[in-house]
Amino acid sequence: DGGITQSPKYLFRKEGQNVTLSCEQNLNHDAMYWYRQDPGQGLRLIYYSQIVNDFQKGDIAEGYSVSREKKESFPLTVTSAQKNPTAFYLCATATALSTDTQYFGPGTRLTVL
Amino acid sequence: GQQLNQSPQSMFIQEGEDVSMNCTSSSIFNTWLWYKQDPGEGPVLLIALYKAGELTSNGRLTAQFGITRKDSFLNISASIPSDVGIYFCAGSNTGNQFYFGTGTSLTVIP
Repeated sequence: DGGITQSPKYLFRKEGQNVTLSCEQNLNHDAMYWYRQDPGQGLRLIYYSQIVNDFQKGDIAEGYSVSREKKESFPLTVTSAQKNPTAFYLCATATALSTDTQYFGPGTRLTVL
Repeated sequence: GQQLNQSPQSMFIQEGEDVSMNCTSSSIFNTWLWYKQDPGEGPVLLIALYKAGELTSNGRLTAQFGITRKDSFLNISASIPSDVGIYFCAGSNTGNQFYFGTGTSLTVIP
């Protein structure tokens, strides 16, 4: 079954704790992206990676970190430095030749208490 | 980063009616995309536009890439209940960095 998996669907953490969100894909796509979505706003790009072992900051990278050790995986860590971490986080993928066509995962809703 | 302005912010329509929404930007883009998002799910790509003036259809959906390259339009004909959701536009020049609109929430009344 091909697609993008984000787990868990809902995540709760205490303030001050780091938390890592998972994104796995078996589409063999080269590029992967992390977006943040807040109520009433559009998606904002956190980080993206076009190839393994390389990634670039998006518009709101502060307080977040990523790694891309494998093509299939692009985990996002929300650190304690992120001031407003509660949000809906979306992972997306795209092929190298068609990065304008991004496919989204189901998302993880993170709530920091 | 910039955000695109979408209007209307929300729409309540009767089943069978046509829907029009638009998206504007202060910057020009080379690519415009339209997505639909159901509550608690990731957005699904509906239509991609690559050329100013381009008109592209996907079933009952038709989208246009504005001539000025600063806007795009989405029309849905003969709406049905499953059209309910939030519609987002997105623009890009690089193919990696996309800027998303604030969304148009569509409610279809049976």
